[in-house]
Amino acid sequence: SQKIEQNSEALNIQEGKTATLTCNYTNYSPAYLQWYRQDPGRGPVFLLLIRENEKEKRKERLKVTFDTTLKQSLFHITASQPADSATYLCALRSEGDSWGKFQFGAGTQVVVTP
Amino acid sequence: GAVVSQHPSWVICKSGTSVKIECRSLDFQATTMFWYRQFPKQSLMLMATSNEGSKATYEQGVEKDKFLINHASLTLSTLTVTSAHPEDSSFYICSARDPGRTNEKLFFGSGTQLSVL
Repeated sequence: SQKIEQNSEALNIQEGKTATLTCNYTNYSPAYLQWYRQDPGRGPVFLLLIRENEKEKRKERLKVTFDTTLKQSLFHITASQPADSATYLCALRSEGDSWGKFQFGAGTQVVVTP
Repeated sequence: GAVVSQHPSWVICKSGTSVKIECRSLDFQATTMFWYRQFPKQSLMLMATSNEGSKATYEQGVEKDKFLINHASLTLSTLTVTSAHPEDSSFYICSARDPGRTNEKLFFGSGTQLSVL
């Protein structure tokens, strides 16, 4: 069965360091991969989209890589700040699925301490 | 940016009653909306795809008679949890795509925490 795995353990990191999160998938051929931020009791907020033919995407302090051979995406937050503390979700869509129909991972919580 | 409003943000109800949750796109017309449920520290589970003017498409294992979805206008989709029971207690979230955008960015509502007593 299709599976999306994100590290369930919280990532504790010191302010200013780089946080790196992983998203691994099995039995999936995603054409699109997204990363979202979710704060407690709130809906997710879109951060980045990367396509299967793209290796890397950047947006301000965020960087996403997509390795279809390893079946893995890495999400980096550079120069992390306490305000970056949240849960980060990856989401995948296969080419055959309808537009917007993404499957989500359970997320990894990031805690940035001053 | 595009905004999706979800209401109510939380609701407590007695077992056996029905609860309606609204999802509105405020500044764009959403031909498609998605409904999810989320348990603590778990992923968003897609329940159904709501299409304006047609029947919703439910994911496998989701009871369509239990979770009624209506998408009567381009800016409003509703999810009604019928005859709610304690096991229906969960965080329900909607999302919408803006057809005016070429990317696949989903805009999410703020979620509804449902507690069934």
